[in-house]
Amino acid sequence: EAQVTQNPRYLITVTGKKLTVTCSQNMNHEYMSWYRQDPGLGLRQIYYSMNVEVTDKGDVPEGYKVSRKEKRNFPLILESPSPNQTSLYFCASSFSTGIYGYTFGSGTRLTVV
Amino acid sequence: DAKTTQPPSMDCAEGRAANLPCNHSTISGNEYVYWYRQIHSQGPQYIIHGLKNNETNEMASLIITEDRKSSTLILPHATLRDTAVYYCIVEAGGTSYGKLTFGQGTILTVHP
Repeated sequence: EAQVTQNPRYLITVTGKKLTVTCSQNMNHEYMSWYRQDPGLGLRQIYYSMNVEVTDKGDVPEGYKVSRKEKRNFPLILESPSPNQTSLYFCASSFSTGIYGYTFGSGTRLTVV
Repeated sequence: DAKTTQPPSMDCAEGRAANLPCNHSTISGNEYVYWYRQIHSQGPQYIIHGLKNNETNEMASLIITEDRKSSTLILPHATLRDTAVYYCIVEAGGTSYGKLTFGQGTILTVHP
């Protein structure tokens, strides 16, 4: 089944403890992206990647890192999580931009205490 | 990047057509209009997209005005399962391809 898989689905962690949220797609998509969703603020883009080894900042990149070493994987790294990064995170992928729709993952609910 | 404006909420009776408007008056010529929906806290689901012409698929129809400054998503026979937040977004053009901006969306409530 064609899909975007995020792990974990739920995570509770403590301030300052490094964590990685994984995202993997099995559709050979070139484009991948991360979003966070907060009440009243909607979906905001964190980082995106147009292809392997190509990444760029979205609207809210502070406090996050990403890497794209392989086409299928696009992990989101929080080096030193803080409570304001408590949020619902989504990964998305597409063959390309501007032409095809995006497939979103099921989400990762992160709580930083 | 073009921004979009949508009404915060709309109601629709089950079985009726739901017409969701979106204003994107600053859209550029090479930018596509996309529609997604999100049910509860699930990942957004792609519905349809278009550039200039009207588009139709098994889920919905997309009507884009001739000047491309606004569009309407039409769900022809709304069901209770269509209750969701609907997002209209435009693709960033130029060197910022891939940078997507979601607005607040429209909460569509379908009533029995």
